[in-house]
Amino acid sequence: NAGVTQTPKFQVLKTGQSMTLQCAQDMNHEYMSWYRQDPGMGLRLIHYSVGAGITDQGEVPNGYNVSRSTTEDFPLRLLSAAPSQTSVYFCASSWLGMNTEAFFGQGTRLTVV
Amino acid sequence: KNEVEQSPQNLTAQEGEFITINCSYSVGISALHWLQQHPGGGIVSLFMLSSGKKKHGRLIATINIQEKHSSLHITASHPRDSAVYICAVKEKGANSKLTFGKGITLSVRP
Repeated sequence: NAGVTQTPKFQVLKTGQSMTLQCAQDMNHEYMSWYRQDPGMGLRLIHYSVGAGITDQGEVPNGYNVSRSTTEDFPLRLLSAAPSQTSVYFCASSWLGMNTEAFFGQGTRLTVV
Repeated sequence: KNEVEQSPQNLTAQEGEFITINCSYSVGISALHWLQQHPGGGIVSLFMLSSGKKKHGRLIATINIQEKHSSLHITASHPRDSAVYICAVKEKGANSKLTFGKGITLSVRP
C-alpha cells in the first residue's frame, strides 16, 4: 500500500535548468495538489487538480506547470529554476468532498544554486 | 482570506509532561486537520475534525466550531513526540483546498 510517492527526495539544480518532480498515488483519489514549504511559513498551494485533465492554480503558481493525464500521476514542472524556488515540495492527495483525510508524500528538498 | 494561527510558536517540554498546542482560524470551516512532521520527514495526518473530540493513543484533538479554535493535547509526552505539528483547515465551499498554519516545533527532552 504505497500511498503517495514522490521522487526525487533531494535535488540540486543550477539556475535556469528545468526539471520535473514526480507524484503518484494509488488510492484513486480525485484531488491532488502541490505545496511548497519555506522556513517560517505555512505550506503554500502551488497547483491543484480535481481530476484527470483538470488543473488549476493555487496561491504561488508562477514558475511551475502541472498536468494531470491520469488519476494516479500529477507531475510538477519547474520551467527555468530560480534560487527563489529553493524549498521543500510536498504532493498530497485526497478524495473530493468536505471531510476527507489528506495523504502527503515524503517531500522533495530542492536547492537551486 | 482565512488566517490560521498556531500557538505557542515553539515549545520545549520535559518527558512525561502534558502538552497543549492551539490553533485558531478566522472563517467558517468544514474540517480541521492536525498533521505531524518529523525532522527531515514527510507529513502524516494525525486527526481530521469537524466537531467535538477525537482520541488516538496519547493524542487528543478537540475543536470548538463556534469559537473557531482547536487544541491538540499530548499526554505523557515522550522524546519521539518531538516534531512539527501543523494545523490546516478546509473552508466551507473550498472543495478540498487546505489553508495551513506555520506549525509548532515541539521538542521533548528526556
